[in-house]
Amino acid sequence: DAGVIQSPRHEVTEMGQEVTLRCKPISGHNSLFWYRQTMMRGLELLIYFNNNVPIDDSGMPEDRFSAKMPNASFSTLKIQPSEPRDSAVYFCASSLLTGLNTEAFFGQGTRLTVV
Amino acid sequence: GQQVMQIPQYQHVQEGEDFTTYCNSSTTLSNIQWYKQRPGGHPVFLIQLVKSGEVKKQKRLTFQFGEAKKNSSLHITATQTTDVGTYFCAVLKTSYDKVIFGPGTSLSVIP
Repeated sequence: DAGVIQSPRHEVTEMGQEVTLRCKPISGHNSLFWYRQTMMRGLELLIYFNNNVPIDDSGMPEDRFSAKMPNASFSTLKIQPSEPRDSAVYFCASSLLTGLNTEAFFGQGTRLTVV
Repeated sequence: GQQVMQIPQYQHVQEGEDFTTYCNSSTTLSNIQWYKQRPGGHPVFLIQLVKSGEVKKQKRLTFQFGEAKKNSSLHITATQTTDVGTYFCAVLKTSYDKVIFGPGTSLSVIP
């Protein structure tokens, strides 16, 4: 398996523009997580899907952020409009939750810079 | 909400010295995981601990889960430059099966 695949790896955009980050989880995994990592705030969980359904989006910072998972093999995280403070590395991770087995497999991340 | 703290935030050691990072929770945990993130990389799963007082070893790394299941430690014996990175503990929030990460301990190894 190729692992969790994220695209793009790097994104530079101007303030106010829409940004869409993409994620393909590991085939067969039933859970998908979006994290944001910054020096100041560390690794923050934004939203969590289980069987394609959003379970907990309490970490989504504002209404400018939205996430979808239309099927088991694809998810997007959208920021509209983007702001400089959204600059961070965004990770997608997937997991096969079975009982207490919760190992998360991370993608390479998308480094977002909003100027 | 469930909070996870890690100490120290940063640690600089001479190559060959030992290193320990500690993870503390305000609540009893069902399990705890440890991840390593190399500079510029992504978090990679190291291990999961489930039982009270559990100790697991991976070569020079020793992981321990506290008796009360509220704390954990990662100990590296005789650090090497390949150990450089940030070590995160992560806990499962059982109400939603989501994994919450601690703030991490950044390890630098001076050759």
